[in-house]
Amino acid sequence: DQQVKQNSPSLSVQEGRISILNCDYTNSMFDYFLWYKKYPAEGPTFLISISSIKDKNEDGRFTVFLNKSAKHLSLHIVPSQPGDSAVYFCAASANQGGSEKLVFGKGTKLTVNP
Amino acid sequence: NAGVMQNPRHLVRRRGQEARLRCSPMKGHSHVYWYRQLPEEGLKFMVYLQKENIIDESGMPKERFSAEFPKEGPSILRIQQVVRGDSAAYFCASSPSRVGTEAFFGQGTRLTVV
Repeated sequence: DQQVKQNSPSLSVQEGRISILNCDYTNSMFDYFLWYKKYPAEGPTFLISISSIKDKNEDGRFTVFLNKSAKHLSLHIVPSQPGDSAVYFCAASANQGGSEKLVFGKGTKLTVNP
Repeated sequence: NAGVMQNPRHLVRRRGQEARLRCSPMKGHSHVYWYRQLPEEGLKFMVYLQKENIIDESGMPKERFSAEFPKEGPSILRIQQVVRGDSAAYFCASSPSRVGTEAFFGQGTRLTVV
């Protein structure tokens, strides 16, 4: 039961171009969404988030878009840099009870070529 | 302010042995989440603890796995009688509040069962 889906296991883009990473979810109770970046042998690092009351959040080169009706979000990285090469995880949370655990997708490996 | 510290970073156990994974949260953080990442998978929630209390263990296997977060000292994830399928990366995240979306992740412990 995959509640958060990242259907592209990998993505390759040229330096300077736009990277678009996609994420779909099935649970309508999710109200907060996050993107994490992960390098090999390290823990996930928070990148950017968005609440369900918004449809866009921007932080520097990173922008997250949320389409609630489609249960879809995307992360845009512009311009892409070689240092952005990592695995990107989409995660979702529902404010239920006393625990706000995160539900993660399987990740998309981004490679930015110089 | 040191980040979330996990040790050991790598742990090798023979089938049937016990594995103990430790997590020292960031200073001032009293909420700890444990996640497991199987090969080619996303992170999956296991357990959420506050000091001396298990709040949500809905992601923990019913047998062989246990977790604690004592008043003093690190949080411990204990796996008894390990099997090959327990081989994974185990990540701890700590948070200043119950809001798991504010959590910071440690670098993980990679458990290999031989």
